[in-house]
Amino acid sequence: GAVVSQHPSWVICKSGTSVKIECRSLDFQATTMFWYRQFPKQSLMLMATSNEGSKATYEQGVEKDKFLINHASLTLSTLTVTSAHPEDSSFYICSAKRTLQVLKNIQYFGAGTRLSVL
Amino acid sequence: AQTVTQSQPEMSVQEAETVTLSCTYDTSESDYYLFWYKQPPSRQMILVIRQEAYKQQNATENRFSVNFQKAAKSFSLKISDSQLGDAAMYFCAYRRDQGGKLIFGQGTELSVKP
Repeated sequence: GAVVSQHPSWVICKSGTSVKIECRSLDFQATTMFWYRQFPKQSLMLMATSNEGSKATYEQGVEKDKFLINHASLTLSTLTVTSAHPEDSSFYICSAKRTLQVLKNIQYFGAGTRLSVL
Repeated sequence: AQTVTQSQPEMSVQEAETVTLSCTYDTSESDYYLFWYKQPPSRQMILVIRQEAYKQQNATENRFSVNFQKAAKSFSLKISDSQLGDAAMYFCAYRRDQGGKLIFGQGTELSVKP
């Protein structure tokens, strides 16, 4: 159980276009989801916290108009990279926190999305 | 602000041997959670082990165990009987409370020699 699906796994796009990444909790409800960015050989950097039915909370230095987050249901959050540029190329990872009290302390991660902007 | 430090960028261990990965953290909170995550070449983050700060007993999961020293703010991971499949990047992570965000260390890349 506790599977988080992230789609697509790899996307290549032209500079100036927008890209949407989906994060789904397949077998549990997730009130809160998180979006991370990871550069090669580096750690995960939290970009924003996504809460179902409300606005996302962005970390300092992350442009909210650049990285649009929508969490419309208890099982789906999306990250849209708007007007992507080569410097946005990175590995994006989502995670989901279970709503159920018993296992609330654990975050489950998606497999990540590699974004390459040409 | 809370910080997590992994001072070993790379570690190597012989298959079947034991290795310990270090992690220190800084916080003024008394109640928090600590985690070790594994990220293999597939880049899928996998939870290895977790520890609640209020528990004095060190967490254990099969070949993986931690040495949690709350006063020293240290949280090391011991891998016993290392296997080739243990080769990965290991991240130590801290979370302030149940709703808080995860703060990751820089990571330690573990290689396992046959």
